[in-house]
Amino acid sequence: EDQVTQSPEALRLQEGESSSLNCSYTVSGLRGLFWYRQDPGKGPEFLFTLYSAGEEKEKERLKATLTKKESFLHITAPKPEDSATYLCAVPFSGGYNKLIFGAGTRLAVHP
Amino acid sequence: KAGVTQTPRYLIKTRGQQVTLSCSPISGHRSVSWYQQTPGQGLQFLFEYFSETQRNKGNFPGRFSGRQFSNSRSEMNVSTLELGDSALYLCASRQGRSGTDTQYFGPGTRLTVL
Repeated sequence: EDQVTQSPEALRLQEGESSSLNCSYTVSGLRGLFWYRQDPGKGPEFLFTLYSAGEEKEKERLKATLTKKESFLHITAPKPEDSATYLCAVPFSGGYNKLIFGAGTRLAVHP
Repeated sequence: KAGVTQTPRYLIKTRGQQVTLSCSPISGHRSVSWYQQTPGQGLQFLFEYFSETQRNKGNFPGRFSGRQFSNSRSEMNVSTLELGDSALYLCASRQGRSGTDTQYFGPGTRLTVL
């Protein structure tokens, strides 16, 4: 059964304190892994797509990496505006064009 | 390029009523998917439409239905509302049908059932 697990559930950081969020997945034949950011009451905002192990992508203070079993979202020197819930998702392996989402990591960055 | 738009943004209904939500995809995007988001279950797939045809359906009762028009705009309908239908309903669009294409989400419709 396809499964996506994110850890930790919640993370509190001081401004400038770097850290990493984890997304582990169980899916047959990974066809991509997506990271989204979601602010309260809003829709998920697309961040990155990773397709193969070893791939890395960066955007401002965020860097996403992918291995054969998990992905990491590294946040370098975060700012309060980085506070949000970060979601990862993988396409369902059964051929349907749907995304299987993890429960998310709620990140709070304090000044 | 304008993003995915959803209307209305907020709805309050009572049990037993029905509701229709609307989604306009990004221009040129032909695939529209709908998701339900609740604190307990997270984001769950409802259905996907492409070229006016439902291609996939998630594990939701028949009270949840949808359709897509020739301009790719989509609507979803929930009949005989239950308290548990209170959720954020999200629409996402993508250009093609491949599961590897990026899905872009709208702001959502917050449905409250009293």
